[in-house]
Amino acid sequence: QKEVEQNSGPLSVPEGAIASLNCTYSDRGSQSFFWYRQYSGKSPELIMSIYSNGDKEDGRFTAQLNKASQYVSLLIRDSQPSDSATYLCAVSRDSSYKLIFGSGTRLLVRP
Amino acid sequence: GAGVSQSPRYKVAKRGQDVALRCDPISGHVSLFWYQQALGQGPEFLTYFQNEAQLDKSGLPSDRFFAERPEGSVSTLKIQRTQQEDSAVYLCASSPLDRGKPQHFGDGTRLSIL
Repeated sequence: QKEVEQNSGPLSVPEGAIASLNCTYSDRGSQSFFWYRQYSGKSPELIMSIYSNGDKEDGRFTAQLNKASQYVSLLIRDSQPSDSATYLCAVSRDSSYKLIFGSGTRLLVRP
Repeated sequence: GAGVSQSPRYKVAKRGQDVALRCDPISGHVSLFWYQQALGQGPEFLTYFQNEAQLDKSGLPSDRFFAERPEGSVSTLKIQRTQQEDSAVYLCASSPLDRGKPQHFGDGTRLSIL
């Protein structure tokens, strides 16, 4: 079992819809959780960080964390074609320490 | 300000050659990380520096891989006697030491071993 699991996709949604991306992790000592977006051939770009249970909203993005279920999700509202990318979930025991990444979920937003 | 800078962006080497990859972190960032990303996979941790001290090198796949950060700023990842399985994108990330400050990545070096 991988430490961080994501569905590889592709997840295909129509423009304007809500995209829901999910991630589970195995290390109960994880304290910091991140979502990175990666366009093809580019480096990972941080879009959300979350450290406590519940929801955190930033613009069209909402991150949700449930430590009891060891589950992190990312919701993208009003999806745009420019959101089409691979979304990487990453966890860490400490935000200043190494990240453990999932393999990423490829999101495709259809115009 | 300037982000994390990596060079070269692309490197092609023949099997058995040595290569050196450079990372210039964001100014003032104490922590520096190297990751390896294979095609279709997420980045995998290689090694971690806090200033010039290499605190964790548990992810380095073999003793052919060596990293240094002698003055606590620029870092170099060296791969000796390269093998085809070393072909990947090598990403460098830096962050402040403060809790709650996430890592920011450079554009990476795409290494191809022929």
